[in-house]
Amino acid sequence: DSGVTQTPKHLITATGQRVTLRCSPRSGDLSVYWYQQSLDQGLQFLIQYYNGEERAKGNILERFSAQQFPDLHSELNLSSLELGDSALYFCASSSGHSEAFFGQGTRLTVV
Amino acid sequence: DQQVKQNSPSLSVQEGRISILNCDYTNSMFDYFLWYKKYPAEGPTFLISISSIKDKNEDGRFTVFLNKSAKHLSLHIVPSQPGDSAVYFCAAKYYNQGGKLIFGQGTELSVKP
Repeated sequence: DSGVTQTPKHLITATGQRVTLRCSPRSGDLSVYWYQQSLDQGLQFLIQYYNGEERAKGNILERFSAQQFPDLHSELNLSSLELGDSALYFCASSSGHSEAFFGQGTRLTVV
Repeated sequence: DQQVKQNSPSLSVQEGRISILNCDYTNSMFDYFLWYKKYPAEGPTFLISISSIKDKNEDGRFTVFLNKSAKHLSLHIVPSQPGDSAVYFCAAKYYNQGGKLIFGQGTELSVKP
């Protein structure tokens, strides 16, 4: 158990819809990262938050947004969903310049 | 722009032998490298890391080697066990980028009994 909790584990939704993925970081970790893993692909960095502030942005679509709340949990919002958005979405957390710990992921299926 | 590359999508090794997984990077700013192991339907699990000021780090059966001049790192697993069968991801980061990890595409290791 990494200590990072992601909900839900699975999500099936229709094209055009909007979903919210939730992540609770390890206790004490201020940084939260979101990654996307499409079929047979590596992990693509989407966005990072540090103590509530956006810290770094990767290949995140404009239809996607994220935020980190005062209790440090984070949400990734995906809107106007397309079939190509089907993927595993991972959240990770870290403290300082150390390794990141990953959650179990949310498998999103857009039909 | 693939800054971290794992050129071997798969590797098959006999139980008890050495597994060597390779990783190349292009960004000389990277100062910290990590290996993660991933089973299907699970999140990546941290395995071992190495700072750019070192050229070797060992943890039990796992050793990571870093060759900065060649921008190359490798993960050695000795001896390999069937439970090591998984996808291994190489990742890199540098301090000024806030800690985000850049991942390679992964190498699927299969250890045969």
